[in-house]
Amino acid sequence: QKEVEQNSGPLSVPEGAIASLNCTYSDRGSQSFFWYRQYSGKSPELIMFIYSNGDKEDGRFTAQLNKASQYVSLLIRDSQPSDSATYLCAVNIGAGGGNKLTFGTGTQLKVEL
Amino acid sequence: GAVVSQHPSWVICKSGTSVKIECRSLDFQATTMFWYRQFPKQSLMLMATSNEGSKATYEQGVEKDKFLINHASLTLSTLTVTSAHPEDSSFYICSARGGPGGGTDTQYFGPGTRLTVL
Repeated sequence: QKEVEQNSGPLSVPEGAIASLNCTYSDRGSQSFFWYRQYSGKSPELIMFIYSNGDKEDGRFTAQLNKASQYVSLLIRDSQPSDSATYLCAVNIGAGGGNKLTFGTGTQLKVEL
Repeated sequence: GAVVSQHPSWVICKSGTSVKIECRSLDFQATTMFWYRQFPKQSLMLMATSNEGSKATYEQGVEKDKFLINHASLTLSTLTVTSAHPEDSSFYICSARGGPGGGTDTQYFGPGTRLTVL
Protein backbone atom coordinates (compact mmCIF):
# COMPACT_ATOMS: atom_id res chain seq x y z
CA GLN A 1 0.00 0.00 0.00
CA LYS A 2 1.35 3.40 -0.98
CA GLU A 3 1.92 5.82 1.89
CA VAL A 4 0.09 8.70 0.22
CA GLU A 5 -2.47 7.99 -2.46
CA GLN A 6 -4.11 10.29 -4.94
CA ASN A 7 -6.19 9.67 -8.01
CA SER A 8 -4.00 10.63 -10.94
CA GLY A 9 -6.90 12.02 -12.93
CA PRO A 10 -7.28 13.97 -15.04
CA LEU A 11 -10.10 15.59 -13.15
CA SER A 12 -12.02 17.86 -15.48
CA VAL A 13 -14.32 20.58 -14.16
CA PRO A 14 -16.02 23.47 -15.92
CA GLU A 15 -14.91 27.00 -15.20
CA GLY A 16 -16.63 28.36 -12.11
CA ALA A 17 -17.30 24.95 -10.60
CA ILE A 18 -15.89 23.47 -7.40
CA ALA A 19 -12.96 21.11 -7.87
CA SER A 20 -12.54 18.46 -5.18
CA LEU A 21 -9.17 16.78 -4.83
CA ASN A 22 -8.70 13.86 -2.48
CA CYS A 23 -5.80 12.21 -0.72
CA THR A 24 -5.48 9.29 1.68
CA TYR A 25 -2.50 8.36 3.79
CA SER A 26 -1.49 5.20 5.56
CA ASP A 27 0.46 6.31 8.63
CA ARG A 28 -1.77 7.20 11.58
CA GLY A 29 1.14 9.05 13.15
CA SER A 30 1.09 11.66 10.40
CA GLN A 31 1.10 15.12 11.89
CA SER A 32 0.98 17.71 9.15
CA PHE A 33 -0.49 17.83 5.69
CA PHE A 34 0.28 19.98 2.70
CA TRP A 35 -1.13 20.76 -0.70
CA TYR A 36 1.19 21.91 -3.46
CA ARG A 37 0.37 22.97 -6.99
CA GLN A 38 2.74 22.13 -9.82
CA TYR A 39 2.42 23.54 -13.30
CA SER A 40 3.96 21.54 -16.12
CA GLY A 41 7.71 22.04 -16.22
CA LYS A 42 7.74 24.06 -12.99
CA SER A 43 8.50 23.26 -9.36
CA PRO A 44 5.80 22.80 -6.71
CA GLU A 45 4.38 25.83 -4.95
CA LEU A 46 2.70 25.68 -1.57
CA ILE A 47 -1.04 26.24 -1.50
CA MET A 48 -1.98 25.30 2.04
CA PHE A 49 -1.00 23.33 5.08
CA ILE A 50 -3.26 21.90 7.74
CA TYR A 51 -2.51 20.31 11.09
CA SER A 52 -5.86 19.88 12.84
CA ASN A 53 -9.05 18.05 12.01
CA GLY A 54 -11.63 20.14 10.25
CA ASP A 55 -11.57 22.77 7.57
CA LYS A 56 -9.07 25.50 6.82
CA GLU A 57 -9.96 28.18 4.30
CA ASP A 58 -7.70 30.50 2.35
CA GLY A 59 -9.38 32.47 -0.39
CA ARG A 60 -10.84 30.06 -2.94
CA PHE A 61 -9.09 27.10 -1.36
CA THR A 62 -10.32 24.95 1.52
CA ALA A 63 -8.33 22.10 2.99
CA GLN A 64 -10.21 19.44 4.92
CA LEU A 65 -8.59 16.97 7.27
CA ASN A 66 -10.10 13.87 8.87
CA LYS A 67 -7.46 12.01 10.83
CA ALA A 68 -9.82 9.23 11.88
CA SER A 69 -10.44 8.39 8.23
CA GLN A 70 -6.85 9.26 7.24
CA TYR A 71 -8.17 11.55 4.58
CA VAL A 72 -7.28 15.04 3.44
CA SER A 73 -8.90 16.97 0.66
CA LEU A 74 -8.59 20.26 -1.18
CA LEU A 75 -11.58 22.16 -2.51
CA ILE A 76 -11.13 24.87 -5.10
CA ARG A 77 -14.12 27.14 -5.48
CA ASP A 78 -14.88 29.13 -8.62
CA SER A 79 -12.31 27.14 -10.57
CA GLN A 80 -10.39 29.07 -13.20
CA PRO A 81 -8.46 27.86 -16.24
CA SER A 82 -5.31 29.06 -14.45
CA ASP A 83 -5.98 26.44 -11.77
CA SER A 84 -5.23 23.73 -14.33
CA ALA A 85 -2.18 21.98 -12.89
CA THR A 86 -1.12 18.92 -10.97
CA TYR A 87 -1.94 19.04 -7.27
CA LEU A 88 0.38 17.20 -4.92
CA CYS A 89 -0.65 16.03 -1.49
CA ALA A 90 2.21 15.72 0.99
CA VAL A 91 2.28 14.26 4.48
CA ASN A 92 4.81 14.62 7.27
CA ILE A 93 4.80 11.73 9.72
CA GLY A 94 7.03 13.59 12.13
CA ALA A 95 10.38 12.98 13.75
CA GLY A 96 9.96 9.21 13.64
CA GLY A 97 9.92 9.44 9.87
CA GLY A 98 12.81 11.82 9.65
CA ASN A 99 10.54 14.84 9.48
CA LYS A 100 10.34 14.44 5.72
CA LEU A 101 7.45 14.96 3.38
CA THR A 102 6.00 11.98 1.58
CA PHE A 103 4.31 13.02 -1.65
CA GLY A 104 1.46 11.48 -3.52
CA THR A 105 1.79 11.08 -7.25
CA GLY A 106 -0.49 14.06 -7.83
CA THR A 107 -3.89 14.69 -9.38
CA GLN A 108 -4.04 16.49 -12.69
CA LEU A 109 -6.80 19.09 -12.73
CA LYS A 110 -8.19 20.52 -15.95
CA VAL A 111 -10.52 23.48 -15.77
CA GLU A 112 -12.41 23.81 -19.01
CA LEU A 113 -13.90 26.95 -20.50
CA GLY B 1 8.47 35.82 2.17
CA ALA B 2 9.81 32.24 1.97
CA VAL B 3 11.66 32.59 -1.32
CA VAL B 4 14.05 29.87 -2.44
CA SER B 5 16.30 30.31 -5.45
CA GLN B 6 18.25 27.81 -7.50
CA HIS B 7 21.10 28.32 -9.89
CA PRO B 8 21.44 27.51 -12.69
CA SER B 9 17.88 27.09 -13.94
CA TRP B 10 19.09 24.81 -16.69
CA VAL B 11 22.38 23.25 -17.70
CA ILE B 12 23.60 21.12 -20.56
CA CYS B 13 26.83 19.22 -20.09
CA LYS B 14 28.86 16.47 -21.66
CA SER B 15 28.91 12.98 -20.24
CA GLY B 16 31.60 12.56 -17.60
CA THR B 17 31.62 16.15 -16.37
CA SER B 18 30.46 17.40 -12.99
CA VAL B 19 27.70 19.90 -12.41
CA LYS B 20 27.07 21.98 -9.31
CA ILE B 21 23.61 23.28 -8.43
CA GLU B 22 23.09 25.93 -5.75
CA CYS B 23 20.03 26.33 -3.58
CA ARG B 24 19.54 29.46 -1.50
CA SER B 25 16.88 30.56 0.95
CA LEU B 26 16.69 34.27 0.27
CA ASP B 27 14.64 35.65 3.14
CA PHE B 28 14.87 33.06 5.88
CA GLN B 29 17.36 30.74 7.47
CA ALA B 30 16.95 27.07 6.70
CA THR B 31 18.67 24.56 8.93
CA THR B 32 17.33 21.82 6.71
CA MET B 33 17.16 21.66 2.94
CA PHE B 34 16.03 18.82 0.74
CA TRP B 35 17.01 17.72 -2.73
CA TYR B 36 14.50 16.07 -5.04
CA ARG B 37 14.62 14.67 -8.54
CA GLN B 38 11.68 14.47 -10.89
CA PHE B 39 11.56 12.58 -14.16
CA PRO B 40 8.94 13.51 -16.79
CA LYS B 41 5.38 12.67 -15.75
CA GLN B 42 6.56 11.21 -12.46
CA SER B 43 6.27 12.43 -8.92
CA LEU B 44 8.99 13.98 -6.81
CA MET B 45 11.62 11.62 -5.52
CA LEU B 46 13.51 12.68 -2.41
CA MET B 47 17.22 12.20 -2.86
CA ALA B 48 18.67 13.52 0.37
CA THR B 49 18.15 15.67 3.42
CA SER B 50 20.76 18.33 4.02
CA ASN B 51 21.38 19.77 7.46
CA GLU B 52 23.55 22.81 8.00
CA GLY B 53 26.97 21.88 9.26
CA SER B 54 26.54 18.13 9.07
CA LYS B 55 26.61 15.35 6.53
CA ALA B 56 23.61 14.84 4.33
CA THR B 57 21.28 11.91 4.82
CA TYR B 58 20.66 10.06 1.58
CA GLU B 59 17.60 8.07 0.65
CA GLN B 60 17.94 4.41 -0.14
CA GLY B 61 19.28 3.83 -3.62
CA VAL B 62 20.85 7.27 -4.02
CA GLU B 63 24.61 7.15 -4.49
CA LYS B 64 26.18 9.57 -2.05
CA ASP B 65 29.50 9.57 -3.91
CA LYS B 66 27.77 10.57 -7.11
CA PHE B 67 25.49 13.22 -5.65
CA LEU B 68 27.61 15.32 -3.33
CA ILE B 69 25.70 17.61 -1.02
CA ASN B 70 27.15 20.44 1.01
CA HIS B 71 25.18 22.67 3.37
CA ALA B 72 27.76 25.18 4.49
CA SER B 73 25.48 27.90 5.78
CA LEU B 74 21.92 28.46 6.91
CA THR B 75 21.02 29.85 3.50
CA LEU B 76 22.99 27.76 1.04
CA SER B 77 23.08 24.12 0.03
CA THR B 78 24.78 22.73 -3.05
CA LEU B 79 24.30 19.52 -5.00
CA THR B 80 27.13 18.34 -7.22
CA VAL B 81 26.37 15.65 -9.76
CA THR B 82 29.75 14.02 -10.36
CA SER B 83 30.66 12.26 -13.60
CA ALA B 84 27.23 12.90 -15.01
CA HIS B 85 25.75 10.49 -17.53
CA PRO B 86 22.67 10.76 -19.76
CA GLU B 87 20.58 8.80 -17.26
CA ASP B 88 21.19 11.61 -14.74
CA SER B 89 19.27 13.99 -16.98
CA SER B 90 16.34 15.15 -14.89
CA PHE B 91 14.68 18.05 -13.12
CA TYR B 92 16.44 18.67 -9.81
CA ILE B 93 14.52 20.65 -7.22
CA CYS B 94 15.59 21.81 -3.79
CA SER B 95 13.39 22.85 -0.91
CA ALA B 96 14.07 24.65 2.32
CA ARG B 97 12.17 24.05 5.52
CA GLY B 98 10.90 26.89 7.63
CA GLY B 99 10.21 30.37 6.49
CA PRO B 100 7.79 33.02 7.64
CA GLY B 101 4.10 32.28 7.66
CA GLY B 102 4.38 28.55 7.39
CA GLY B 103 4.50 25.77 9.91
CA THR B 104 7.87 24.70 11.24
CA ASP B 105 7.88 21.75 8.87
CA THR B 106 6.66 23.56 5.77
CA GLN B 107 8.91 23.13 2.77
CA TYR B 108 9.30 25.86 0.17
CA PHE B 109 10.61 24.82 -3.19
CA GLY B 110 13.14 26.43 -5.45
CA PRO B 111 12.31 26.84 -9.15
CA GLY B 112 14.31 23.76 -10.12
CA THR B 113 17.28 23.03 -12.35
CA ARG B 114 16.85 21.12 -15.55
CA LEU B 115 19.94 19.03 -16.25
CA THR B 116 20.59 17.55 -19.66
CA VAL B 117 23.62 15.31 -20.07
CA LEU B 118 24.69 14.67 -23.65
